[in-house]
Amino acid sequence: GAVVSQHPSWVICKSGTSVKIECRSLDFQATTMFWYRQFPKQSLMLMATSNEGSKATYEQGVEKDKFLINHASLTLSTLTVTSAHPEDSSFYICSAPGGNEQFFGPGTRLTVL
Amino acid sequence: TQLLEQSPQFLSIQEGENLTVYCNSSSVFSSLQWYRQEPGEGPVLLVTVVTGGEVKKLKRLTFQFGDARKDSSLHITAAQPGDTGLYLCAGDYTGGFKTIFGAGTRLFVKA
Repeated sequence: GAVVSQHPSWVICKSGTSVKIECRSLDFQATTMFWYRQFPKQSLMLMATSNEGSKATYEQGVEKDKFLINHASLTLSTLTVTSAHPEDSSFYICSAPGGNEQFFGPGTRLTVL
Repeated sequence: TQLLEQSPQFLSIQEGENLTVYCNSSSVFSSLQWYRQEPGEGPVLLVTVVTGGEVKKLKRLTFQFGDARKDSSLHITAAQPGDTGLYLCAGDYTGGFKTIFGAGTRLFVKA
């Protein structure tokens, strides 16, 4: 089946720094990708829809200036957490639709000290 | 706003018991999925149901989609410790893969 990768798989950073997370569709093209955030013992919450060649669409309550999304190619979307703070520590997961199925990446665990 | 209500949120049972997880919504879904997620990993698709009234079986797991396409259930027969994990229902109500997840059911099966 189709594969979606994420890089890095985990990252630790200092408060105030920015962190970039990559999401790649490895063997298919995706004009749309989705970014989710999952806090411990909670479900996945949709943050935004990443659209190739155009602006991302953010869900209510998600700060677009803090979570910058760039979908520069048909196989790559990036999420940059700007000026990260400890409350941004979470598990970030991307997904991409392929055919009739949604494929999820393995996730990136972000810890902000 | 949680469009999908999933229950129970936590379930601890003995090996061999049966269980059912429910997923309900006031919205109609074009499709509904069930996922299983292990700690530190992304969710893995178990099944997709599309047609109202549809029943799908995956070994000891039985999935049902409500006639009105607003609810679904997951039934596990003779649960085993290997079934332990987080089960998530998810719905695509826009037809565009914008998937909304339920709160999840954390299942623990004791040997």
